[in-house]
Amino acid sequence: AQSVAQPEDQVNVAEGNPLTVKCTYSVSGNPYLFWYVQYPNRGLQFLLKYITGDNLVKGSYGFEAEFNKSQTSFHLKKPSALVSDSALYFCAVRDMRNDYKLSFGAGTTVTVRA
Amino acid sequence: DAGVIQSPRHEVTEMGQEVTLRCKPISGHDYLFWYRQTMMRGLELLIYFNNNVPIDDSGMPEDRFSAKMPNASFSTLKIQPSEPRDSAVYFCASRLQGGNTGELFFGEGSRLTVL
Repeated sequence: AQSVAQPEDQVNVAEGNPLTVKCTYSVSGNPYLFWYVQYPNRGLQFLLKYITGDNLVKGSYGFEAEFNKSQTSFHLKKPSALVSDSALYFCAVRDMRNDYKLSFGAGTTVTVRA
Repeated sequence: DAGVIQSPRHEVTEMGQEVTLRCKPISGHDYLFWYRQTMMRGLELLIYFNNNVPIDDSGMPEDRFSAKMPNASFSTLKIQPSEPRDSAVYFCASRLQGGNTGELFFGEGSRLTVL
């Protein structure tokens, strides 16, 4: 079985400050890990993914995420948050051995105040 | 490419009525997924298809829900009869097997309200 936990329902930061959204995962084999963002009344949009290789992956809109195998974590980060980053963020995991099922976390609402 | 296209974007209906949601995946994608999003349960996978064949429908809530994919460019999710607890946003997503290691492309969703 595979699962994802996002321990924080909400994250609030001031514009210009660093932003971190936490994610931990559980899979039987090696993971494929993803971050998606959802703006109000929109579908989910892909941000970035970790498949293999460098533990620090860079994605869209200045976001990056660090894969930590020992801590089974894949935290999303942005050095300087913008008000426009306010949205709902989902972490997702897929077991490499399963070519189909993507399991999503419950989501974290990010609010960036001006 | 136009992306994943869903219709209708909004549907308001009365309990007991039949609801049909439609999805056109990205051309060339061979996996199609139906998700449901609610405040209480988050994002739930209902069913997915590979090459138009249903592979896993274990997430379908009950027999009132059915999904079909008659061809590679069209899928439907039907609820009959609908109930107020079916109110949610239903997303369709597609992906290409192996090509980009699995990222999903989502439609804008169909917001269903059952009165």
